[in-house]
Amino acid sequence: ETGVTQTPRHLVMGMTNKKSLKCEQHLGHNAMYWYKQSAKKPLELMFVYNFKEQTENNSVPSRFSPECPNSSHLFLHLHTLQPEDSALYLCASSQGQGANIQYFGAGTRLSVL
Amino acid sequence: AQTVTQSQPEMSVQEAETVTLSCTYDTSENNYYLFWYKQPPSRQMILVIRQEAYKQQNATENRFSVNFQKAAKSFSLKISDSQLGDTAMYFCALERGAQKLVFGQGTRLTINP
Repeated sequence: ETGVTQTPRHLVMGMTNKKSLKCEQHLGHNAMYWYKQSAKKPLELMFVYNFKEQTENNSVPSRFSPECPNSSHLFLHLHTLQPEDSALYLCASSQGQGANIQYFGAGTRLSVL
Repeated sequence: AQTVTQSQPEMSVQEAETVTLSCTYDTSENNYYLFWYKQPPSRQMILVIRQEAYKQQNATENRFSVNFQKAAKSFSLKISDSQLGDTAMYFCALERGAQKLVFGQGTRLTINP
């Protein structure tokens, strides 16, 4: 059982749909992250949350809207996406600020048609 | 700007052999952390090993060890007695500031029976 759980595992959506990705961590961590992993590109950090507060937005388009209601849950709300947004979206958590180890979920494979 | 480069897109070795994955990076920081993560077909990123830049001693974790050359900005991963379960994508990452990981493009490692 992984300490970081992401749902759904796979998602196919049209460009006009609205969907949400969910991440839950069972490790008692205070920081959570969203990453985007596209084919043939390095992982890109999207957002960082510490104690439910957003502390990093890496110039992510507004069609991606994160939400962190508590330290254990993180959502990524998606709307009017583009085909180039198709990717693996990974969630991670860590103990907190500083160079702490980040623990990853298995990701949501998103396809935008 | 901090960058991480992995020059070997793919590698393949026989089971029980030793293999070394290369990574170079660029940073203007003096204190930082370097990581190797493994991503098997299950997609979950798993930490393999971590190195603190101010420590001269190379990190080791069982069959995994690193060769950290700070002046050369090189951080290679050596896997000894390779096993079929080591088959995965391997990512080198640099912590470019609190909680911000910069990843390389990855090396796809295949261990053949």
